[in-house]
Amino acid sequence: SQQGEEDPQALSIQEGENATMNCSYKTSINNLQWYRQNSGRGLVHLILIRSNEREKHSGRLRVTLDTSKKSSSLLITASRAADTASYFCATDRAGNTPLVFGKGTRLSVIA
Amino acid sequence: DAGVIQSPRHEVTEMGQEVTLRCKPISGHNSLFWYRQTMMRGLELLIYFNNNVPIDDSGMPEDRFSAKMPNASFSTLKIQPSEPRDSAVYFCASSSTGGNTEAFFGQGTRLTVV
Repeated sequence: SQQGEEDPQALSIQEGENATMNCSYKTSINNLQWYRQNSGRGLVHLILIRSNEREKHSGRLRVTLDTSKKSSSLLITASRAADTASYFCATDRAGNTPLVFGKGTRLSVIA
Repeated sequence: DAGVIQSPRHEVTEMGQEVTLRCKPISGHNSLFWYRQTMMRGLELLIYFNNNVPIDDSGMPEDRFSAKMPNASFSTLKIQPSEPRDSAVYFCASSSTGGNTEAFFGQGTRLTVV
């Protein structure tokens, strides 16, 4: 069953704009991760944020985590056409548990 | 390391036939996951192995599906008999410690059952 739920399902922006995607989850988590999937390919890890962290940066990516609201956001700044992909959040519960993914947000960046 | 390797990349089979998907995880990783991806249901976890032992197989759809991990460097997902509704992309992923660290995905096997 899906633990994370991304919002919006699809997002279309112009190159250079910022893209924000949100993820909500249901149960307590150990950490939350964001992945990217280009069409026809496997998922690629972007960033991991632990439950005791509130914000994390990696290049043009900024992730926030609000455990009280059980939500996270992924911000991509100064988007490029190459950022066009589907983005997924994934969570694991405490202990030895697997990653469970949401259905993803399809991002289209128009040049 | 070459990453997670899955075979075959594409499989077309007739309904009722047995299908075997293969996965070689990254060397040294203790955890292995099988996922199924469809447009309707997204990315579903089928089964999770830790140290070659199945920990969570609650996502396996029914008895037609079975998975094995005979050693740390090889896993199979078998569907017998296959049905058209099994058509999907099947991904294998591995990580060093369950869901607590980054998972590395293979390129997937696109299965079409006609």
